[in-house]
Amino acid sequence: SQTIHQWPATLVQPVGSPLSLECTVEGTSNPNLYWYRQAAGRGLQLLFYSVGIGQISSEVPQNLSASRPQDRQFILSSKKLLLSDSGFYLCAWSPGLAGDTQYFGPGTRLTVL
Amino acid sequence: RKEVEQDPGPFNVPEGATVAFNCTYSNSASQSFFWYRQDCRKEPKLLMSVYSSGNEDGRFTAQLNRASQYISLLIRDSKLSDSATYLCAVISTGRRALTFGSGTRLQVQP
Repeated sequence: SQTIHQWPATLVQPVGSPLSLECTVEGTSNPNLYWYRQAAGRGLQLLFYSVGIGQISSEVPQNLSASRPQDRQFILSSKKLLLSDSGFYLCAWSPGLAGDTQYFGPGTRLTVL
Repeated sequence: RKEVEQDPGPFNVPEGATVAFNCTYSNSASQSFFWYRQDCRKEPKLLMSVYSSGNEDGRFTAQLNRASQYISLLIRDSKLSDSATYLCAVISTGRRALTFGSGTRLQVQP
């Protein structure tokens, strides 16, 4: 069966510091991968999605970036965090066809101070 | 206007009650529809996909109304464990990612 991992689970970072969040999927090949952010009390906002290695689409311009160095690995990064980057970051995968169901990882809760 | 809208609630219902949520979507090209359940400080978990013919899974029934552009979720015989936030999500033609509503919070009381 497929599983999705994210780490770290929680993170507290100062403003201006860099960020790297990692997501890996097991038990499937060529998944579509997604990064979402959920601010406190808000809905989920799509940040990036990827249909293959090195292929990244950005939904919202911001100081975050994403990379997909391997088929089942998706990384979210920032060079300098802002207070507004605080939130719950969720990675998701789908089997690779448009319209397929997405499954979420356990998330990383980021607090920027 | 938001692409996907939900009543935030909270819906406070007694155990055993039947409760229904609606979710409206603005993009007529939306083609796939889902209900997710999210517990406090946890990731969303798929509850059910919503098909044109409607679908049922135990106490949960989902319906799609394309003419009026909304989906619904009906929960029968509510349990305390049903307390959560219910998120609807849609995928539109040509897009690969979900657009979520902000969620409806359900609190089932003893």
